Amino acid sequence: NAGVTQTPKFRVLKTGQSMTLLCAQDMNHEYMYWYRQDPGMGLRLIHYSVGEGTTAKGEVPDGYNVSRLKKQNFLLGLESAAPSQTSVYFCASSYDDTEAFFGQGTRLTVV
Amino acid sequence: GQQLNQSPQSMFIQEGEDVSMNCTSSSIFNTWLWYKQDPGEGPVLLIALYKAGELTSNGRLTAQFGITRKDSFLNISASIPSDVGIYFCAGCNNAGNMLTFGGGTRLMVKP
Repeated sequence: NAGVTQTPKFRVLKTGQSMTLLCAQDMNHEYMYWYRQDPGMGLRLIHYSVGEGTTAKGEVPDGYNVSRLKKQNFLLGLESAAPSQTSVYFCASSYDDTEAFFGQGTRLTVV
Repeated sequence: GQQLNQSPQSMFIQEGEDVSMNCTSSSIFNTWLWYKQDPGEGPVLLIALYKAGELTSNGRLTAQFGITRKDSFLNISASIPSDVGIYFCAGCNNAGNMLTFGGGTRLMVKP
């Protein structure tokens, strides 16, 4: 049982480049989330989804877009990467809006 | 938005000592969760609390849901080196807002 799988695990982007982070869960969870983790800032919610075809903004959504075309997948896109988006990104999923299960993270560096 | 204040930010203790950390909020939560994050990994759920006043244990870990619903505590007894990591509290008010995370407590254990 893989749980929550994120790809890639590491990525270096140049300022202005675009990329998509992939998240897949095999627990049939309705809720999926994207967080970013910065030193001393804890985990901050970027976007989330409460079901297939739905998305909503979290605490820090600017500069990111998401899509939930399939229940098991939640994609996070950066259209034009900026150095301020250097961070560790975590995807998570949950049955309801409480106990979230996390992936192993994607470490993104924007130079 | 909702904020969780987690303290202490870091702790450096001797193996065998007990540890206590807490989270406080200006808002009421209906659910409190405690996670542990090992270096290079995603957070893993340790304990979930759903009722004010609830006291729940998981091995050497004990967590309590404060009676005011605005705070929660995590205690670790007889610490061991593998307890090293970052501990996060998270709260949810089940009113359409997703989990809010505290800033984390970094625990270091000296053998």
